[in-house]
Amino acid sequence: ETGVTQTPRHLVMGMTNKKSLKCEQHLGHNAMYWYKQSAKKPLELMFVYNFKEQTENNSVPSRFSPECPNSSHLFLHLHTLQPEDSALYLCASSHWGGGRGDTEAFFGQGTRLTVV
Amino acid sequence: DQQVKQNSPSLSVQEGRISILNCDYTNSMFDYFLWYKKYPAEGPTFLISISSIKDKNEDGRFTVFLNKSAKHLSLHIVPSQPGDSAVYFCAAKGNSGYALNFGKGTSLLVTP
Repeated sequence: ETGVTQTPRHLVMGMTNKKSLKCEQHLGHNAMYWYKQSAKKPLELMFVYNFKEQTENNSVPSRFSPECPNSSHLFLHLHTLQPEDSALYLCASSHWGGGRGDTEAFFGQGTRLTVV
Repeated sequence: DQQVKQNSPSLSVQEGRISILNCDYTNSMFDYFLWYKKYPAEGPTFLISISSIKDKNEDGRFTVFLNKSAKHLSLHIVPSQPGDSAVYFCAAKGNSGYALNFGKGTSLLVTP
């Protein structure tokens, strides 16, 4: 148990569906992240939230929509996805102090998404 | 463009021997480096890190070496154990940001 919980663990959705991934961290961190892991590729950073404010969006298509209602919860809303979006989606959190007191990122177990 | 590179997708080592996993980076602004370990169907877990002010950090069987001039770091596991079989990701970040840049990972297999 890393203190970062993701639900669901597995998700199969059609291209016309709308679904949401949920992430919750119990570590008191102030930064949360969505990463995507596709086969034979490095973990790709998708979104970063610091103190609930989105600070990075790495050219992610608009069919992925993040939401961070508070510093403990992070959502990834999915709609009209493509089969190539099938991947492992990982949530992570860390404490960011601008260099001082930074911690390493703690990851959830991921959601294995399959788009059919 | 990939800023963190792990050029060996896989490595096989006998139990008891040393495992050496390599990582190269291109961004000279990176000043903090981490290794993560990932088992199938689980998220990555933090293993060991090193700051750019050091060239070596040791934690039990795990040692990370940093060569800043070569922009290269390596993870040594000795002695290797079958339970070490996993995918190892190298990651790096600079002091102006907090998101990690990851390599593609190296799959380590430790055979009995």
